[in-house]
Amino acid sequence: GENVEQHPSTLSVQEGDSAVIKCTYSDSASNYFPWYKQELGKGPQLIIDIRSNVGEKKDQRIAVTLNKTAKHFSLHITETQPEDSAVYFCAASNMNYGGATNKLIFGTGTLLAVQP
Amino acid sequence: DVKVTQSSRYLVKRTGEKVFLECVQDMDHENMFWYRQDPGLGLRLIYFSYDVKMKEKGDIPEGYSVSREKKERFSLILESASTNQTSMYLCASSRVIRTGRNEQFFGPGTRLTVL
Repeated sequence: GENVEQHPSTLSVQEGDSAVIKCTYSDSASNYFPWYKQELGKGPQLIIDIRSNVGEKKDQRIAVTLNKTAKHFSLHITETQPEDSAVYFCAASNMNYGGATNKLIFGTGTLLAVQP
Repeated sequence: DVKVTQSSRYLVKRTGEKVFLECVQDMDHENMFWYRQDPGLGLRLIYFSYDVKMKEKGDIPEGYSVSREKKERFSLILESASTNQTSMYLCASSRVIRTGRNEQFFGPGTRLTVL
């Protein structure tokens, strides 16, 4: 089955610096790659996603890149702020449009700490 | 806004007790999921359901069962709680995918401690 590896497990940056979190997946049939942010005391929340027919997607200070050949995808946060401090999870899925359930396989998470 | 609620934020139970964790979503989503979250292991899928009375095993179903009698409610049952089931339990829901986004909406979690 699909396996998703995520690195690093913890990341500490200074406010204003960039942060990069990397994931690799094993199933070449995976075609959808979301990123979730989990703030303290809350459940994870989707922040950005990318499909396999796109190499890069950007939304303000966050961006995701995908290298299908290498089975790598990454989250980039620029100009980090203290409110970016959270646990970030990558995930992979083989999406079946109109199908019943599409499971997400999550990575192990990255604790990002942005130091003021 | 989509809301997923879980019956308890914190729960303490004794070994051998039967434990019920309840989850309710208010957006008429077809799919519902139960995960457990442990440090260094991420989110691991226990069970999911794509319709009322339907259920499928996830990656770590041993020691758990589920019930979905109504579309909005998905229950996780620990038949005989053990200390290795001490964890954070997260419920999520999603709709059947018709467009590009496969978003799961999570509840706030229940931190279960089994003594």
